[in-house]
Formats: sequence, C-alpha cells, structure tokens
Amino acid sequence: ELKVEQNPLFLSMQEGKNYTIYCNYSTTSDRLYWYRQDPGKSLESLFVLLSNGAVKQEGRLMASLDTKARLSTLHITAAVHDLSATYFCAVDGTQGAQKLVFGQGTRLTINP
Amino acid sequence: NAGVTQTPKFQVLKTGQSMTLQCAQDMNHNSMYWYRQDPGMGLRLIYYSASEGTTDKGEVPNGYNVSRLNKREFSLRLESAAPSQTSVYFCASSVQGDRKAFFGQGTRLTVV
Repeated sequence: ELKVEQNPLFLSMQEGKNYTIYCNYSTTSDRLYWYRQDPGKSLESLFVLLSNGAVKQEGRLMASLDTKARLSTLHITAAVHDLSATYFCAVDGTQGAQKLVFGQGTRLTINP
Repeated sequence: NAGVTQTPKFQVLKTGQSMTLQCAQDMNHNSMYWYRQDPGMGLRLIYYSASEGTTDKGEVPNGYNVSRLNKREFSLRLESAAPSQTSVYFCASSVQGDRKAFFGQGTRLTVV
C-alpha cells in the first residue's frame, strides 16, 4: 500500500528565509505532483515531476524528485507572505492513471 | 473558462438522507475523480473514471456510488448519509496520463 508522508506538517518562517518541505513515499513511483491550497479554497497545481532527477522551478519555489530515495523536496527561496498556504505532495502509484495518494499537507505561514 | 464546476457548494443533510453531488468539466478531459478532504488531512480518492462509461474504486469508496454520465459529467451519490461522511468533497479532471489535475471549488457537506 502506497503511503506518502510530508514533513514538517507545520512551518512558520520569516520573510526572506529559505526552507525545504520533504515528501517521502513508500513504494516505487516516478510520478509526483505538488499542489497548493489556500484556506477554504480549492487545490492549485504547482509542479508535475515525471522522472528521476526532475527539477521544476517557478518563482521562489523549486521542486525535485529522487525516485531511488523515494523523496521529493519543495524548496522555498527568500519567502514572501504571499506564499503562505498549505502545500500537498501527491504520488501516483498506478503508472499514469493518476489515482493519487496525498500527503497530509504542510501548513506554511510566512511572517513579515 | 469555467474549468471544473461542482454543485452544490454547501449542503447539510440529516443522517439517512440521500443526495447527489454534481461535477462538470469543460476541458474535454478523459479522466475525472472524486476526493474527500477531512480536517488536517490530505485528499483521499473515493472513485475515479478513466473515460466515459468506466468507473473504478479508490481508497475510500464505501457508502458512495458514482455515475459517469458523459465525458463532461461525473456525479457522486450518497445513498444513506452518515455523520462520518461529513467532509469537503472535491471533483477533479485531467487529460489521461501524466498531466496535472484541475480541481473544482469543493462541496462542504455536513451530515447531522
């Protein structure tokens, strides 16, 4: 059974600092997705990572995938308040059917 | 572009009542999904449909039924609602395969 774990679950940081969210998963997969959710809102797709060593960047966010370690990271550079949200990773263990298993989410709060 | 549209946005049911959650997408996507999100948790897959006329169980299908009415519409039915089904329900769609999923705005369901 595929399990996905994120850490930390809660993260409070100051503007301008760097930090990393980790996503570990339990069975082989080379398809991993990162989503953002604002309070009371829907999910917004951030990154789709489809191979070992994949790296995607947009603005202050960068995601990477290491399929051998079963680990993905979401790195935040020089955080700004607008990045405050809950971030989810999700893993597809079904070779493209997108039956995603989600992590618990990381609630990120960025303080001025 | 409307994207993925869910109705209703909010609903309160009494235990034992039935209801259908509606979902429609206008992006010509093949795959559609129903997830539930409970407080402090990631999303869990209830059912999914890889294409018109096909449906398959996800992680938590008990107490639910689905219908893929056509390519655009995928409905979720609760035949006899229970308090344990209090949750936020999200519909999503994707081009089949390794593409990001688009999520609806969610239906907040309370069963009393």
